[in-house]
Amino acid sequence: AQKITQTQPGMFVQEKEAVTLDCTYDTSDQSYGLFWYKQPSSGEMIFLIYQGSYDEQNATEGRYSLNFQKARKSANLVISASQLGDSAMYFCAMREADGSWGKLQFGAGTQVVVTP
Amino acid sequence: DTAVSQTPKYLVTQMGNDKSIKCEQNLGHDTMYWYKQDSKKFLKIMFSYNNKELIINETVPNRFSPKSPDKAHLNLHINSLELGDSAVYFCASSQDGGRAYRRNEQYFGPGTRLTVT
Repeated sequence: AQKITQTQPGMFVQEKEAVTLDCTYDTSDQSYGLFWYKQPSSGEMIFLIYQGSYDEQNATEGRYSLNFQKARKSANLVISASQLGDSAMYFCAMREADGSWGKLQFGAGTQVVVTP
Repeated sequence: DTAVSQTPKYLVTQMGNDKSIKCEQNLGHDTMYWYKQDSKKFLKIMFSYNNKELIINETVPNRFSPKSPDKAHLNLHINSLELGDSAVYFCASSQDGGRAYRRNEQYFGPGTRLTVT
């Protein structure tokens, strides 16, 4: 069964607008971490933001914020004030309980294109 | 300074050949990983090493053999290459495998694009 679901294969957003990328996850663990990575066309994977299952506050990192709704098992990424350089593939990933030794499970990704 | 480096960046080879990809991290991390990204961009873990010890082998064919000569290096050797092995292979590292609720993010190398013809 898919552990991470990203339902938006692609989206267009205008420069300076905010965009929300959806991510839902499936786990029975109490202890887990959620990550978002960015993959531009150049191919590298760039860590953006992290949310721990025990964190009470939504994570924020600059223009990135995470809308964490634990009961709904969703961890949506919000990019505020989009820039042309935000055009990339975005991956949601989960790391489950202790003993998984850091194994990240990724969603299928969402391709974001920022237009002028 | 490159945190996680991989060589080569591109690898084109014929079916049946054997090839290796090298990975080095200078972050002082204890845990290293290999991921495979297929043509649909789906990323899946292959192996995880902690302090040179194999921790995760995610049902990868025996033709794939990782080796970690020390904590900073994790190489991937592939025997008898098949067309289906064509993919981008990413090396990554993190401070440790750690507790799931700690940040402990993974840093990825630039990837090695393997094309098997």
